[in-house]
Amino acid sequence: DAMVIQNPRYQVTQFGKPVTLSCSQTLNHNVMYWYQQKSSQAPKLLFHYYDKDFNNEADTPDNFQSRRPNTSFCFLDIRSPGLGDAAMYLCATSRQDLGQPQHFGDGTRLSIL
Amino acid sequence: RKEVEQDPGPFNVPEGATVAFNCTYSNSASQSFFWYRQDCRKEPKLLMSVYSSGNEDGRFTAQLNRASQYISLLIRDSKLSDSATYLCVVTLNNNDMRFGAGTRLTVKP
Repeated sequence: DAMVIQNPRYQVTQFGKPVTLSCSQTLNHNVMYWYQQKSSQAPKLLFHYYDKDFNNEADTPDNFQSRRPNTSFCFLDIRSPGLGDAAMYLCATSRQDLGQPQHFGDGTRLSIL
Repeated sequence: RKEVEQDPGPFNVPEGATVAFNCTYSNSASQSFFWYRQDCRKEPKLLMSVYSSGNEDGRFTAQLNRASQYISLLIRDSKLSDSATYLCVVTLNNNDMRFGAGTRLTVKP
């Protein structure tokens, strides 16, 4: 059974049109992460939530925002997608204890027209 | 220097071969280490954690060398289903995970 669920699996949007990707989890993990992964590259951390505490990576563009209304859900908002934002977006969760691995959702593949 | 560096490969090996991947990390304060496997256009999946004493899971053996700041993954008796990209992952003490770009493995009949 899927424990980290991302919707949709594939998302197509127009250049400049806001888009929201969603992630939910049934693991009750208190840490949630959003990564961007482009072809043949490592997943790049955009931000993560430690409970309700939001932690933004220094090089994450302002165009990317996130919301975590409760433990189970986390959203990635891209306010004005550019062609360079086409990528796989991965949501992950983990427990806060040191040494705990991250569990990933299936990802959302975003295309920009 | 990248935080986590891996040989991108590709490694092309025949079935039954033994293959080893290395990974180096730059931050000596790194606390936890993992190998993830990622199939084409899929999400990363945890293969195994890496412990200081080294650990084995079936055909897979992971080693950590803190002094030299590298970790390794050894795959024995390679199967066709082992074909994937193997990601080295290092965590600092704040659960901040850093990924290598991955090493691509293709096992051929």
